[in-house]
Amino acid sequence: AQTVTQSQPEMSVQEAETVTLSCTYDTSESDYYLFWYKQPPSRQMILVIRQEAYKQQNATENRFSVNFQKAAKSFSLKISDSQLGDAAMYFCAYISNFGNEKLTFGTGTRLTIIP
Amino acid sequence: EAGVVQSPRYKIIEKKQPVAFWCNPISGHNTLYWYRQNLGQGPELLIRYENEEAVDDSQLPKDRFSAERLKGVDSTLKIQPAELGDSAVYLCASSWAINSYEQYFGPGTRLTVT
Repeated sequence: AQTVTQSQPEMSVQEAETVTLSCTYDTSESDYYLFWYKQPPSRQMILVIRQEAYKQQNATENRFSVNFQKAAKSFSLKISDSQLGDAAMYFCAYISNFGNEKLTFGTGTRLTIIP
Repeated sequence: EAGVVQSPRYKIIEKKQPVAFWCNPISGHNTLYWYRQNLGQGPELLIRYENEEAVDDSQLPKDRFSAERLKGVDSTLKIQPAELGDSAVYLCASSWAINSYEQYFGPGTRLTVT
């Protein structure tokens, strides 16, 4: 079974600084997708960024980028120029590309932005 | 375009009472998911529908939980009777097709069982 581990329950960063959230996963499959979701207090899960395992290039979305290390099964999220609106729970998630559309989530990292 | 709609946003009930949650997915999305998110945890899949067919309900506690998506559009998740351990956030998500890897989530329903 696939597992996703987020070892940082909480992180904080000064506004305008850069922060990196860690995620590791375990799978025996070679074809899959990885995601970072943001969940603000409103509870709505918002997709931040997606990475296809077959792509070597790290995904980037504006201030958000990932460091995908397939061999190490590591998938970290870097937030640059942190803004107050970035404060939320961040969840790393995995989904197989072999017919199982169940997202497997980590336990989340609570990110606090310090003004 | 409207996102995934869920109601109610909050529900407080006493144990042993029934409760129902409703979800309307994004228009055109044929795959619908119900997830449960316990406090301090990530969401876990309860059931997945492709159109009106439940294609994965292996994690649904069938003794007390039921779900339906009769016309392949909106869906209802029911708990009867509720237990204290059912207190959680119930999230609905939808996607374009069974092989879509972008699931769009609703705001969830926070259930408190007293």
